Amino acid sequence: DVKVTQSSRYLVKRTGEKVFLECVQDMDHENMFWYRQDPGLGLRLIYFSYDVKMKEKGDIPEGYSVSREKKERFSLILESASTNQTSMYLCASRPRWSSGSYEQYFGPGTRLTVT
Amino acid sequence: SQKIEQNSEALNIQEGKTATLTCNYTNYSPAYLQWYRQDPGRGPVFLLLIRENEKEKRKERLKVTFDTTLKQSLFHITASQPADSATYLCAPRHQPPGNNRLAFGKGNQVVVIP
Repeated sequence: DVKVTQSSRYLVKRTGEKVFLECVQDMDHENMFWYRQDPGLGLRLIYFSYDVKMKEKGDIPEGYSVSREKKERFSLILESASTNQTSMYLCASRPRWSSGSYEQYFGPGTRLTVT
Repeated sequence: SQKIEQNSEALNIQEGKTATLTCNYTNYSPAYLQWYRQDPGRGPVFLLLIRENEKEKRKERLKVTFDTTLKQSLFHITASQPADSATYLCAPRHQPPGNNRLAFGKGNQVVVIP
């Protein structure tokens, strides 16, 4: 079974702190994604990566950065946390396009509260 | 820009009946569309994928249709059970550029009443 794990289920941080959210997948997937999910807004893509050291902006990249130094690990960084970044953060992975498998495998989510 | 619409009101349905959810999309024609299930506090789980040249796809008690003329997908749960209670997300392939992405609808909650 594909497993996507996220470093924390719950996280509380203060405004202005630098926050690191870690995601690890064990299926050698090329593609990895970071979403945030808010009531009434659904899942919104922050950043994605299709290979090591490669990244592309999603729909809402402002205030975030990402790092992919190893294939299995994709980190989301909140440079200076703000209260409007309080949300559920979900990581996902997917094999390369040519594999013919297009489904995304999601982690359990990190509920981040910024106070 | 693309728009994906799912009913924001929860669907309450009696156990044993068929639940039908609608996903409408506008302004583009996705090559395929996926459906996911999400339980409270958890990540979505993939259920089905249907391609633009497929009219219907089935998996156990689940059935998905894809009408590219109406720009609509229907998701059916037959013989619904309380364990089917969850939120169901429609996810068409994102329009280019960035066509390795999905665009998610906001989800439609299903509540199966025993």
